[in-house]
Amino acid sequence: SQTIHQWPATLVQPVGSPLSLECTVEGTSNPNLYWYRQAAGRGLQLLFYSVGIGQISSEVPQNLSASRPQDRQFILSSKKLLLSDSGFYLCAWSGALSTGELFFGEGSRLTVL
Amino acid sequence: KQEVTQIPAALSVPEGENLVLNCSFTDSAIYNLQWFRQDPGKGLTSLLLIQSSQREQTSGRLNASLDKSSGRSTLYIAASQPGDSATYLCAVRQGAQKLVFGQGTRLTINP
Repeated sequence: SQTIHQWPATLVQPVGSPLSLECTVEGTSNPNLYWYRQAAGRGLQLLFYSVGIGQISSEVPQNLSASRPQDRQFILSSKKLLLSDSGFYLCAWSGALSTGELFFGEGSRLTVL
Repeated sequence: KQEVTQIPAALSVPEGENLVLNCSFTDSAIYNLQWFRQDPGKGLTSLLLIQSSQREQTSGRLNASLDKSSGRSTLYIAASQPGDSATYLCAVRQGAQKLVFGQGTRLTINP
């Protein structure tokens, strides 16, 4: 069966520090991968998605970036965090078909101080 | 631009009741609609996926319906239990890679 792992679960970082959140999927090949952010009162916002290694699409301009160095690995990064980057970050995957079901990881809570 | 609305934002009912959660969307050109459950501080758990060609899906005590022409979906929960307390979100897949989420309904089942 397929599983998705996301870490770290909780992170407290000072403004201006770098960020790296990692997500891996097991039990499937060539998944579509997604990073979402959930901020209080603002719902779920799609940040990045990837349909293959090295292929990244950005939905929202910001100081975050994403990379997909391996088929089942998706990384969210920032060189310098802002206070507004605080939130709950969720990685998700779906099969290659556009009609596929979406599955989420457990999330990473980021607090920028 | 697709907009997804879930009403009410919060709902509290006694244990054992049957209940309906509502989801509406403005653009009927969707691939599918998915219902999720989210417990506090946790990720989203997929409950049901309805393809655009389907009218309903069932899983245990849950039944989800889809009326594309009117832009509505409902999630029916039978014989509610305290463990059903959570936030329920619906999302429509519009583009190949894009899901649009509602703001969710926070459900509390009182013992």
